[in-house]
Amino acid sequence: QQKVQQSPESLIVPEGGMASLNCTSSDRNVDYFWWYRQHSGKSPKMLMSIFSNGEKEEGRFTVHLNKASLHTSLHIRDSQPSDSALYLCAASMATGGNNKLTFGQGTVLSVIP
Amino acid sequence: GPKVLQIPSHQIIDMGQMVTLNCDPVSNHLYFYWYKQILGQQMEFLVNFYNGKVMEKSKLFKDQFSVERPDGSYFTLKIQPTALEDSAVYFCASSDNSQNTLYFGAGTRLSVL
Repeated sequence: QQKVQQSPESLIVPEGGMASLNCTSSDRNVDYFWWYRQHSGKSPKMLMSIFSNGEKEEGRFTVHLNKASLHTSLHIRDSQPSDSALYLCAASMATGGNNKLTFGQGTVLSVIP
Repeated sequence: GPKVLQIPSHQIIDMGQMVTLNCDPVSNHLYFYWYKQILGQQMEFLVNFYNGKVMEKSKLFKDQFSVERPDGSYFTLKIQPTALEDSAVYFCASSDNSQNTLYFGAGTRLSVL
């Protein structure tokens, strides 16, 4: 059983629309959540991280975290074709985890002009 | 932003041969990681390395695997001998401390024939 589950597997949104991606960990030892974006053939790049309950916004990107349910979500407003990529969610422990990230399988986002 | 370079981008070898995957991490980073991604599956942690030592390794890090970073040069993953199931994309990452963002390379696709 995978410890980090992402949904949906793929998502198509029109340009200018809102994309919402979900991620849940089944490991109650995790404290930190990370969202990475990977364009085809490129390296995964950290998009946003969240460590506390609540919401964090950076430009068009908003991330939520509910630590009780170990659920995080990423929302992209005013989606652009350049946002089309694989979005990876990862979880890690604050201490004693050696910064080891456990990844989900990812959500493929396609933004259609 | 900070870049991690991986060389080569694609390596094809015969089963039983030795292979060395090279990673040039971000210059001031001290923590180094290898992840493995089999086609269609999520990225999985292999090993992390700090101060010349392996900190933690997963069950995927078989006895045939070894890592080193001699004298601040490339951080390498060596597989000797290779097996068919070693075919995957191997991602290198680095970070400046044990709780900060991991910066990933674009991966080396290893094909074992």
